[in-house]
Amino acid sequence: TAGITQAPTSQILAAGRSMTLRCTQDMRHNAMYWYRQDLGLGLRLIHYSNTAGTTGKGEVPDGYSVSRANTDDFPLTLASAVPSQTSVYFCASSDSADLNTEAFFGQGTRLTVV
Amino acid sequence: GQNIDQPTEMTATEGAIVQINCTYQTSGFNGLFWYQQHAGEAPTFLSYNVLDGLEEKGRFSSFLSRSKGYSYLLLKELQMKDSASYLCAAGDSNYQLIWGAGTKLIIKP
Repeated sequence: TAGITQAPTSQILAAGRSMTLRCTQDMRHNAMYWYRQDLGLGLRLIHYSNTAGTTGKGEVPDGYSVSRANTDDFPLTLASAVPSQTSVYFCASSDSADLNTEAFFGQGTRLTVV
Repeated sequence: GQNIDQPTEMTATEGAIVQINCTYQTSGFNGLFWYQQHAGEAPTFLSYNVLDGLEEKGRFSSFLSRSKGYSYLLLKELQMKDSASYLCAAGDSNYQLIWGAGTKLIIKP
């Protein structure tokens, strides 16, 4: 089973360019999340979606947008990349938005903005 | 503010026992998670505690004290494959997870 898949695995992006990080899950999970992970910091929530058709802002949403047109896909878009967005991005999903369910993570996208 | 504290790095010997501590301060509390993350890989779920006490799962156990804002992860019979970062995360009143920076555990033969 694929579980949760992210693409691309890594990317070097020129500052000012836009980019969409893709995330797809085949577990029919209702909730999906985007995190960024930076050295010395914990995972920080960018955006989340509790169910298809709804999205919400996390701790660090500025410069990012998401959509949730269906259950399986949750793309993250950087409209105009800046160097401070250099990070490892993880997409995750869970069966429900209740915190008593484990989250499953994709393998991550390593993004470098130059 | 909300905060999760855990040691940056710990070293232990193969076959031994190690305890990784985590203290948290959150607005409200909705459970405490531990995840394991090998270098360059995705985090994977280890445990969830919402009530005080010890939860045992094979070689790994997790403890929670809500009154002290404290949890620990106990790893027994350490194996080389246990070398990884261990992430502590607490759920807040908005049902969002606040994550610690992780504890890098180094296992020596």
